[in-house]
Amino acid sequence: DQQVKQNSPSLSVQEGRISILNCDYTNSMFDYFLWYKKYPAEGPTFLISISSIKDKNEDGRFTVFLNKSAKHLSLHIVPSQPGDSAVYFCAASENGGGATNKLIFGTGTLLAVQP
Amino acid sequence: ETGVTQSPTHLIKTRGQQVTLRCSSQSGHNTVSWYQQALGQGPQFIFQYYREEENGRGNFPPRFSGLQFPNYSSELNVNALELDDSALYLCASSRIGDEQYFGPGTRLTVT
Repeated sequence: DQQVKQNSPSLSVQEGRISILNCDYTNSMFDYFLWYKKYPAEGPTFLISISSIKDKNEDGRFTVFLNKSAKHLSLHIVPSQPGDSAVYFCAASENGGGATNKLIFGTGTLLAVQP
Repeated sequence: ETGVTQSPTHLIKTRGQQVTLRCSSQSGHNTVSWYQQALGQGPQFIFQYYREEENGRGNFPPRFSGLQFPNYSSELNVNALELDDSALYLCASSRIGDEQYFGPGTRLTVT
C-alpha cells in the first residue's frame, strides 16, 4: 500500500523554465512533508519541507505547495538549472514526528534539465 | 564538519549468510535511522535509534536488527539473508526535531 505516490517517473524541462514535481498521499495523519534530492552514488539531500499548518513554503528557487483537501503537494523550481537534474523524492511523517522520525517516501521523479 | 559515512560501499553475500553494515553519524547528531531502498523504489524505513534505544520500527522482520553506540554510530545487522534483501541501505542521522542527513549508502547484493 503506497501511502506516498509520485506518479511521474520522469520529467524533462528546458533550462530557465519552471519544473513542477507532484506528489499525492493517502494517509490523513501525515502532518509534515519534505522533498529530498538524490544524485547517483550519493545519499538523499534535504531540500525543503512544509508543515501541514501551512500551504506554501519558499526557499530561494524552490517552493513547496500543500493542498491538504486534495492530499497533494508539489515542488516548483524556478528557474530550472542543469545542476538540478537528479531524482526528487517526496516524503511524509505523521503524529508530530516532524523531520526526524519515520519518513515515508514516494518512488521518486527523475528530473532532467536540458541546457 | 564530517557528514554521515557508511561502510562498506558495496558487498556481495550469499543467501543464508549474515551481514553487518556500519554508519557514523554526523557530529552532534543523536538519532540514527536506517532505510532500505530497492531498485526503482523510494527508501523504506527499517528502524530508528535515539540515545542507544530503538525509537520506532518499520515493517521489517526481526532478522533485521540494529545497535547504536555511545558515540552515536550505528550498525544494521541482517541474519539469514534472502535474495530480496538486495538493495541500497541508507543511514540517516539527525538531532531531534531537525531534518535527517543521509549517508551515501551501502549496496548489498545477495546471490
